[in-house]
Amino acid sequence: DAKTTQPPSMDCAEGRAANLPCNHSTISGNEYVYWYRQIHSQGPQYIIHGLKNNETNEMASLIITEDRKSSTLILPHATLRDTAVYYCIALRSGTYKYIFGTGTRLKVLA
Amino acid sequence: SQTIHQWPATLVQPVGSPLSLECTVEGTSNPNLYWYRQAAGRGLQLLFYSVGIGQISSEVPQNLSASRPQDRQFILSSKKLLLSDSGFYLCAWSKQGSAPYEQYFGPGTRLTVT
Repeated sequence: DAKTTQPPSMDCAEGRAANLPCNHSTISGNEYVYWYRQIHSQGPQYIIHGLKNNETNEMASLIITEDRKSSTLILPHATLRDTAVYYCIALRSGTYKYIFGTGTRLKVLA
Repeated sequence: SQTIHQWPATLVQPVGSPLSLECTVEGTSNPNLYWYRQAAGRGLQLLFYSVGIGQISSEVPQNLSASRPQDRQFILSSKKLLLSDSGFYLCAWSKQGSAPYEQYFGPGTRLTVT
């Protein structure tokens, strides 16, 4: 599975969009990009995933570049409750091994 | 709807004592099951995963073991705990299939080995 690289930390003002980048330059054609977040002292929570196309759900949007070497998770209107560690994972079709890195610690500021 | 349970929520155990953590899933059948550990301030480390009863794959050699005696039950064990076993233990499940499915995590067990 491709290695992903994320900035260790980011700040975002409450009410503004939070854009969390992820680099996965070695991703292969059958690897999906998954995003999870972990609020302090809780288990990670699934946010969104995609393969090639941009995706949107009630929590966030996922923008994947055309060459698939990077992606951005967008929280359109960040709230204080979005303060968490966000993990980007590249996951091959048919695999069961989810490799979580150290993620990006997002702090939403009032 | 599906629910995942873990117990106990917190545990303090002396070095050298045994360990048994239990995880059960409700509302689904034949799930993939996972055990993770998270040391303080660190990312998640995959310990074991299981695609069926009695089928366990180990990711990290250590003094821990896992068993899956029933379809929706996953147990993490140790015969003798080490100080380095302290951490936040998380159980998760996902559907089986050709595409990777999202994982759903339990509330976790915080283990302190003294």
